[in-house]
Amino acid sequence: GENVEQHPSTLSVQEGDSAVIKCTYSDSASNYFPWYKQELGKGPQLIIDIRSNVGEKKDQRIAVTLNKTAKHFSLHITETQPEDSAVYFCAATPGGTSYGKLTFGQGTILTVHP
Amino acid sequence: NAGVTQTPKFQVLKTGQSMTLQCAQDMNHEYMSWYRQDPGMGLRLIHYSVGAGITDQGEVPNGYNVSRSTTEDFPLRLLSAAPSQTSVYFCATGGGWGGELFFGEGSRLTVL
Repeated sequence: GENVEQHPSTLSVQEGDSAVIKCTYSDSASNYFPWYKQELGKGPQLIIDIRSNVGEKKDQRIAVTLNKTAKHFSLHITETQPEDSAVYFCAATPGGTSYGKLTFGQGTILTVHP
Repeated sequence: NAGVTQTPKFQVLKTGQSMTLQCAQDMNHEYMSWYRQDPGMGLRLIHYSVGAGITDQGEVPNGYNVSRSTTEDFPLRLLSAAPSQTSVYFCATGGGWGGELFFGEGSRLTVL
């Protein structure tokens, strides 16, 4: 089945800096790659996603890039703010699967220091 | 609209006890699923359902049972709890292929 590796496991930045989280996946047929943000005591929430026919997608301070050849995708957060502090998960949909049968990465704890 | 509602939020069990985690949604989604979250391991899929009367196993199904008699409800049953099932459990629903999942707030289970 699909395997998703996420790095780093923890990331500490100063407010205003950029943060980058990277994920690799194993199933070359995977075609949907979402990123979820989980705040303390809450369930994960989708923040951005990308499909395999797109190389990059931006939404204000957040961007995701996808390299299908290398089978990796990354989350970029610019001008970080303390409220960006949370756990971030990448995920991938195994090829040939309908609905949201996602395989998640291990998570990255992002801390933004004021 | 409540979205996805999980009960209970916290539960402590003794080894061998059984219990049911409840998940209810008012989003009219066909897809429902259960994940468990353990430190350093992300979220792992336990069971999922693509509609009433249809369920299937995920990555870590052993020790858990599910059924889907209505669109709204998807309970997760622990038949004989073990300490290895200590975890935070999340129910998630989705509207279709490759789309957003909506998560509940989680149920923290401790098995002694």
